[in-house]
Amino acid sequence: QVQLQESGPGLVKPSETLSLTCAVSGYSISSGYYWGWIRQPPGKGLEWIGSIYHSGSTYYNPSLKSRVTISVDTSKNQFSLKLSSVTAADTAVYYCARELSGSGSPFDYWGQGTLVTVSS
Amino acid sequence: SYVLTQPPSVSVAPGQTARITCGGNNIGSKSVHWYQQKPGQAPVLVVYDDSDRPSGIPERFSGSNSGNTATLTISRVEAGDEADYYCQVWDSSSDHPRVVFGGGTKLTVL
Repeated sequence: QVQLQESGPGLVKPSETLSLTCAVSGYSISSGYYWGWIRQPPGKGLEWIGSIYHSGSTYYNPSLKSRVTISVDTSKNQFSLKLSSVTAADTAVYYCARELSGSGSPFDYWGQGTLVTVSS
Repeated sequence: SYVLTQPPSVSVAPGQTARITCGGNNIGSKSVHWYQQKPGQAPVLVVYDDSDRPSGIPERFSGSNSGNTATLTISRVEAGDEADYYCQVWDSSSDHPRVVFGGGTKLTVL
């Protein structure tokens, strides 16, 4: 059974960089698939942040692209998100998920999500 | 950019059929995926590629897509189906392709 688990600070100061990691178990990232990040502000809908292939190829939401970096570490079977220059608007539950084949294919396995609050 | 429009809420009595729509310009030419999200939980994929169901999803969940509207249909609605539902597509219409989610629909079981 594929499982994903997000980890990282729950509180980030404005203008700093948000960093999260998603540990994958039950499947080897190097075997394939895309791996993505999605966020959900409190009481609001889902917003896709970006996705990465096991080879390191990435694609990002154009509205966040200038601030986002997604990377993969196949040796640790995990992938990571960095979002720079955060503001209160970046406060959200952040989910990592497996994307079946890129280019907007469905996300079939999701982590439980982690709440990140941006506040001084 | 491409916009997906969902009704904020849909209400249905137990045992009846719920239909949740997702509107978008020529959405019928795209593959639509649907997620169910219960409070405090991660989304769960319930329909993908317009009308396919992942393993473990009841046959009561079905989907269709044509013209400017995609529809998630839940037959014989149960109390446990009460949740938020989101549609998703891939917008490749611009120079900056992206994954797009609808705003979500809250399904209330009366």
